[in-house]
Amino acid sequence: GQQVMQIPQYQHVQEGEDFTTYCNSSTTLSNIQWYKQRPGGHPVFLIQLVKRGEVKKQKRLTFQFGEAKKNSSLHITATQTTDVGTYFCAGPEGGSQGNLIFGKGTKLSVKP
Amino acid sequence: DAGVIQSPRHEVTEMGQEVTLRCKPISGHNSLFWYRQTMMRGLELLIYFNNNVPIDDSGMPEDRFSAKMPNASFSTLKIQPSEPRDSAVYFCASSSSRDREKLFFGSGTQLSVL
Repeated sequence: GQQVMQIPQYQHVQEGEDFTTYCNSSTTLSNIQWYKQRPGGHPVFLIQLVKRGEVKKQKRLTFQFGEAKKNSSLHITATQTTDVGTYFCAGPEGGSQGNLIFGKGTKLSVKP
Repeated sequence: DAGVIQSPRHEVTEMGQEVTLRCKPISGHNSLFWYRQTMMRGLELLIYFNNNVPIDDSGMPEDRFSAKMPNASFSTLKIQPSEPRDSAVYFCASSSSRDREKLFFGSGTQLSVL
């Protein structure tokens, strides 16, 4: 079946360092989404990417959708303790119009 | 604006007991999703409703699990009988028809079956 893989599973960084998480789908996606879940919290929608090669920025966060629409990345510049949490990517089952399949997430911890 | 509301926040029960989880989606949203989250399996979709009708329940683990959506503002997920392996966080999420894939999650129910 369709898989959405994320690496790394865990990332520990010093505050101020950069962080990147990668997402790969076994199928071409019509769109990809990113969510953030704080410890003890619930997933919160961050962004949706739709176009090939699309790059979107939210302050220190940069999201990219690959040219083949099968991979994506999230880069955080100069991490802060408020960035702590698990970052999930998600894509529609079957590539489009289907229910979201979530990756296992990358858990980010930031040492002050 | 009230988000997705789930109850209870925590549930501790004994094996064999019936458990009912409740969800109130965001007003105006016509899609509702039940997810289960565990360390081992991550976020798994259990069932999805559109306009109160169950569309895809292929993620429901077995017959012990059932879900209903009697109206647009309420859904339940029932486990009967519960087993220790059902222990997980259960999330309800809703979305609008205009942006179906943008999910709004509730705070979840932490279920522990002893």
